[in-house]
Amino acid sequence: EPEVTQTPSHQVTQMGQEVILRCVPISNHLYFYWYRQILGQKVEFLVSFYNNEISEKSEIFDDQFSVERPDGSNFTLKIRSTKLEDSAMYFCARRTGSGLFFGEGSRLTVL
Amino acid sequence: DQQVKQNSPSLSVQEGRISILNCDYTNSMFDYFLWYKKYPAEGPTFLISISSIKDKNEDGRFTVFLNKSAKHLSLHIVPSQPGDSAVYFCAATRGYGRGGSNYKLTFGKGTLLTVNP
Repeated sequence: EPEVTQTPSHQVTQMGQEVILRCVPISNHLYFYWYRQILGQKVEFLVSFYNNEISEKSEIFDDQFSVERPDGSNFTLKIRSTKLEDSAMYFCARRTGSGLFFGEGSRLTVL
Repeated sequence: DQQVKQNSPSLSVQEGRISILNCDYTNSMFDYFLWYKKYPAEGPTFLISISSIKDKNEDGRFTVFLNKSAKHLSLHIVPSQPGDSAVYFCAATRGYGRGGSNYKLTFGKGTLLTVNP
């Protein structure tokens, strides 16, 4: 049973539309992360989130991106106005004693 | 800026033999290293890790070796099995030794391992 559930598994959207990707950790954790992988490229850090605040973000994570934990459980990544280059697999991760445990990912396709 | 490099995009081995996956890094601040396995359309799965105070860590068929002076680590899989066929990513982070790592991982580009029956 996955410890991190991501929805949707695949979303297709038009350029310029808003997208919200969701992550539901089963256990109660304080540290969360979003990473992404553009097809054929390496997995890249986007943002880390601790105790309901962003702790660090990469240069990729510009003003078009935001994260929040609206209900204390779901952890969301919002892209306000999607671009073609946002097409990627987006992975939510939680922190464990050994490293990061990743979810199954949400594939975003921007047309 | 490739701080973590996996120079072999692919590796093919026979079932039962040893698979050796290599990784080099340039940032001397990295002090914790991880290996992940990834199947298409799935998230990376944690395999094994090593901190910079060690030079070897073993878990079942998986052993990771760290050579700090060479800034090089390797993952050994013995014996290799067809189910091991996947993309293997090396990742690194810093601050672990001081208990302050935020687990901002820097990944390599991955090596596709194919284990032939």
